[in-house]
Amino acid sequence: QQQVKQSPQSLIVQKGGISIINCAYENTAFDYFPWYQQFPGKGPALLIAIRPDVSEKKEGRFTISFNKSAKQFSLHIMDSQPGDSATYFCAAMNNTGKLIFGQGTTLQVKP
Amino acid sequence: SAVISQKPSRDICQRGTSLTIQCQVDSQVTMMFWYRQQPGQSLTLIATANQGSEATYESGFVIDKFPISRPNLTFSTLTVSNMSPEDSSIYLCSVEIGDTQYFGPGTRLTVL
Repeated sequence: QQQVKQSPQSLIVQKGGISIINCAYENTAFDYFPWYQQFPGKGPALLIAIRPDVSEKKEGRFTISFNKSAKQFSLHIMDSQPGDSATYFCAAMNNTGKLIFGQGTTLQVKP
Repeated sequence: SAVISQKPSRDICQRGTSLTIQCQVDSQVTMMFWYRQQPGQSLTLIATANQGSEATYESGFVIDKFPISRPNLTFSTLTVSNMSPEDSSIYLCSVEIGDTQYFGPGTRLTVL
């Protein structure tokens, strides 16, 4: 019940394309869903986050789509750039403040 | 957000020894967390450290192996005790500000 399942494990996208990463959860007590971006040798950095009362949130080229009934959410990176090449983690938080992370997706954007 | 620093950034240690990792944040925070990230893997929560109370450990992590101190609202330490090669990982601290967690740069530990 505490799991967050993330797919795909790895993703290769051409520059200018759309990168899509999907996550699914089981525990309906989760009420905050952040996405983190991690570059090699660095700590995860918050990218964008959403609460379940909103179906979509957009910040620049990054969009979260949230489907509460399906217990799924996804990250869309529009106009993907080589600088977006990193590992992306979805996560879910309950009211205790604990973050449960997905398995991670390694994104490579080819020039 | 917050500026979080960790020391050391990396270390190579011998089996059986202990290493203490420091985490410093530039503002006062109530909740701090320690995570482990094994090579190529996701993040796993070790424990939650609130100032003025004992750390709360997740299943599979025990205080004797990972003692934590939280002496004030801007600082915490995690000790990895009696290390084995299986402890080779990145150790990350994070702080909660609002409803978001912000992470430090991590400490890369290699145990020989």
